[in-house]
Amino acid sequence: GAVVSQHPSWVICKSGTSVKIECRSLDFQATTMFWYRQFPKQSLMLMATSNEGSKATYEQGVEKDKFLINHASLTLSTLTVTSAHPEDSSFYICSARDWSGGTETQYFGPGTRLLVL
Amino acid sequence: TQLLEQSPQFLSIQEGENLTVYCNSSSVFSSLQWYRQEPGEGPVLLVTVVTGGEVKKLKRLTFQFGDARKDSSLHITAAQPGDTGLYLCAGALTGSQGNLIFGKGTKLSVKP
Repeated sequence: GAVVSQHPSWVICKSGTSVKIECRSLDFQATTMFWYRQFPKQSLMLMATSNEGSKATYEQGVEKDKFLINHASLTLSTLTVTSAHPEDSSFYICSARDWSGGTETQYFGPGTRLLVL
Repeated sequence: TQLLEQSPQFLSIQEGENLTVYCNSSSVFSSLQWYRQEPGEGPVLLVTVVTGGEVKKLKRLTFQFGDARKDSSLHITAAQPGDTGLYLCAGALTGSQGNLIFGKGTKLSVKP
């Protein structure tokens, strides 16, 4: 299957700082990537849809000014958590949509664990 | 209202037993995907089903998509401790932008 990477895999930061997380599709081009958040023992919650060359689409309740998304190329989307606070601590996972073989499939990155002190 | 109901939420069984996980919805999906996730890692795709009534097998795992494309099941035969993990079903609604709707997941524990 296709490979999606995320960097960093974990990050600890002080409250008030900004953190950037990168999501890359390594062996395919992805015009659409997705950012999810996952709390312990819960399923994935979609935060936003990242579209290459255009503005991201945010889910209801997700602050677009707090979670900045940039999808500048067909293989890279970034999520920046601005002015992070302890309540932003979570597991952030990206996915990239692949249309190979005529079937749409989402492949997930390994996730980034964020801890805000 | 949860669009995709997944059950059971938790399942603890002995090695060698069989089990079935269900995903049900009143909505029609253009495709449905099953993922397995281990703690601290991203979900790994197991299978994608797109045709109503489709059955796919992956070693001891059998996936079925309902005829009306509203439900799906995952059956594991002779479960092994290595099958332990969180199983997620996710469906793409017909006519949507392709965003996946996730079930709440089934946390499976297989004891040796």
